[in-house]
Amino acid sequence: GQQVMQIPQYQHVQEGEDFTTYCNSSTTLSNIQWYKQRPGGHPVFLIQLVKSGEVKKQKRLTFQFGEAKKNSSLHITATQTTDVGTYFCAGPTYTGGGNKLTFGTGTQLKVEL
Amino acid sequence: DSGVTQTPKHLITATGQRVTLRCSPRSGDLSVYWYQQSLDQGLQFLIQYYNGEERAKGNILERFSAQQFPDLHSELNLSSLELGDSALYFCASSVGTVLTGELFFGEGSRLTVL
Repeated sequence: GQQVMQIPQYQHVQEGEDFTTYCNSSTTLSNIQWYKQRPGGHPVFLIQLVKSGEVKKQKRLTFQFGEAKKNSSLHITATQTTDVGTYFCAGPTYTGGGNKLTFGTGTQLKVEL
Repeated sequence: DSGVTQTPKHLITATGQRVTLRCSPRSGDLSVYWYQQSLDQGLQFLIQYYNGEERAKGNILERFSAQQFPDLHSELNLSSLELGDSALYFCASSVGTVLTGELFFGEGSRLTVL
């Protein structure tokens, strides 16, 4: 079955440093979605990328979808304490009648003052 | 507030027992997804319903079952509970499918099996 891996698993940064998480799928994806889960919270949708090579920005966050549509990255510039949480990428899979969203293993970000 | 409501928020029960988790999707959303999140694991897909019909199944145990009712709310039934079933169970909804849109997650039901 489809597997979605993320690296690193954990990342500690000092506030103001940059952060990047990488996502790799074992299969080609029709789209890639990114979610953020704050400690003790639930996953919240951040963005969806659809096109090969697509790049989207949300303030300090930059999302990229690979040319082969099998990998993606999230880069945060000048991290803040509000960026703390676990970042998941997720890709849809058709399962014969329905679709499921397979989540990556997640990258847990901790930001220290 | 995502608009997805899950009850109960917390549940403590004993091994061998049965529990029911309830989910009300966002108004207008036809798809409901159930995910399990354990401490050291990510989000594991359990099952998807669309407008009352089961559409996709993940690694859902035979002891677990779910359904979606005509009013579109969904229930996840967990029986013969084991210690390893302790986890956070999320319900999520979407307008159509995840091919075209995102999932909106509820706050989760935290199940503790003692």
